[in-house]
Amino acid sequence: NAGVTQTPKFQVLKTGQSMTLQCAQDMNHNSMYWYRQDPGMGLRLIYYSASEGTTDKGEVPNGYNVSRLNKREFSLRLESAAPSQTSVYFCASSEAVGETQYFGPGTRLLVL
Amino acid sequence: GDSVTQMEGPVTLSEEAFLTINCTYTATGYPSLFWYVQYPGEGLQLLLKATKADDKGSNKGFEATYRKETTSFHLEKGSVQVSDSAVYFCALRVRGGGADGLTFGKGTHLIIQP
Repeated sequence: NAGVTQTPKFQVLKTGQSMTLQCAQDMNHNSMYWYRQDPGMGLRLIYYSASEGTTDKGEVPNGYNVSRLNKREFSLRLESAAPSQTSVYFCASSEAVGETQYFGPGTRLLVL
Repeated sequence: GDSVTQMEGPVTLSEEAFLTINCTYTATGYPSLFWYVQYPGEGLQLLLKATKADDKGSNKGFEATYRKETTSFHLEKGSVQVSDSAVYFCALRVRGGGADGLTFGKGTHLIIQP
């Protein structure tokens, strides 16, 4: 039982490049989330998916898109990376809206 | 909007010292409150939670009590260990809130010296 897994662990991009961060959970959870963590800022919600087939914006959605591919997987896409998107990205899941969230190990992204 | 304020640190203590990390919040509704811990190089782990006023969450020797009158959820531990060195995040979630995510404080870096 791996919980929440994220790939890649670390990525370096040049400004303007695109990439997709992958997240999968094996806990049969309905809800999934993407956060970014910046120094001195705590974690901020980018997008979430309350259930399969739905996605909604969080606090800082600009520059990102998401896809809830199926119940297990929730991906985050940067279409044209900017240095301001340098951050650590965490995926989380919960059994349902309002239940305890479980976090993955994070993806460290550096945009040059 | 909703917000969480916590001491940022770093907080440096000696082993077996008493720990308090302060956390206060503002919320538009009636929140559930959480403490998460992040060990170096890892993701966040739920440490404890409380869902209504006067509830006490506890885990691994850590405790926090939901105080509605002072809008606080301070984290305490009677005797810390070197292995408690980590970053601690206070967070809230408002039931029925718009975006279903957690609102986090900025985190408190705790360093325990032998």
